[in-house]
Amino acid sequence: EPEVTQTPSHQVTQMGQEVILRCVPISNHLYFYWYRQILGQKVEFLVSFYNNEISEKSEIFDDQFSVERPDGSNFTLKIRSTKLEDSAMYFCASSEVGQGARIQPQHFGDGTRLSIL
Amino acid sequence: DAKTTQPPSMDCAEGRAANLPCNHSTISGNEYVYWYRQIHSQGPQYIIHGLKNNETNEMASLIITEDRKSSTLILPHATLRDTAVYYCIVRVISPDKLIFGTGTRLQVFP
Repeated sequence: EPEVTQTPSHQVTQMGQEVILRCVPISNHLYFYWYRQILGQKVEFLVSFYNNEISEKSEIFDDQFSVERPDGSNFTLKIRSTKLEDSAMYFCASSEVGQGARIQPQHFGDGTRLSIL
Repeated sequence: DAKTTQPPSMDCAEGRAANLPCNHSTISGNEYVYWYRQIHSQGPQYIIHGLKNNETNEMASLIITEDRKSSTLILPHATLRDTAVYYCIVRVISPDKLIFGTGTRLQVFP
């Protein structure tokens, strides 16, 4: 069964450094998402991306964050200058468009654990 | 905020059916009910979704009440591997995003 893959599984970064989290969505999917989950808390929506542009972003997704689809397979989340509170699990998800342009279920990767020191 | 209410925890004996309830009394006519689960710290796993009819797939069944204000996820024969947090989500289509609540922590015991 096709799956969303994320790399690395664990990233340790010094505060203030830039970090790029990488995702390979399912190949025929057209909608891409990032979510995060701080330890012990809810899964939170960050951003959705379609047709090479951001569709929606949450209040968490400030100017420190950016997303990009640099080629036909990867989808990346960049945090420009990391803060301690950015420590969390970051999940990538993707979905396809079904009949009647109805967006299908989002499928998630297993996440990248980001630890900011 | 999440538009759903779920019990914080439930137990189920292995081999028995697990019935997980969810209230979504403010659901709109074109909003779908989605169920996901999260095993330990893995990514949320899609289980099933429905609009107004009952649905069944290889993982579970979804029963939605006629007024659509509540639903029940049924795992027909729970196994130890079904121990997870189960999320009932009313999917907002525009903008498209999933709003997770705190879910139900299902513990399957031998």
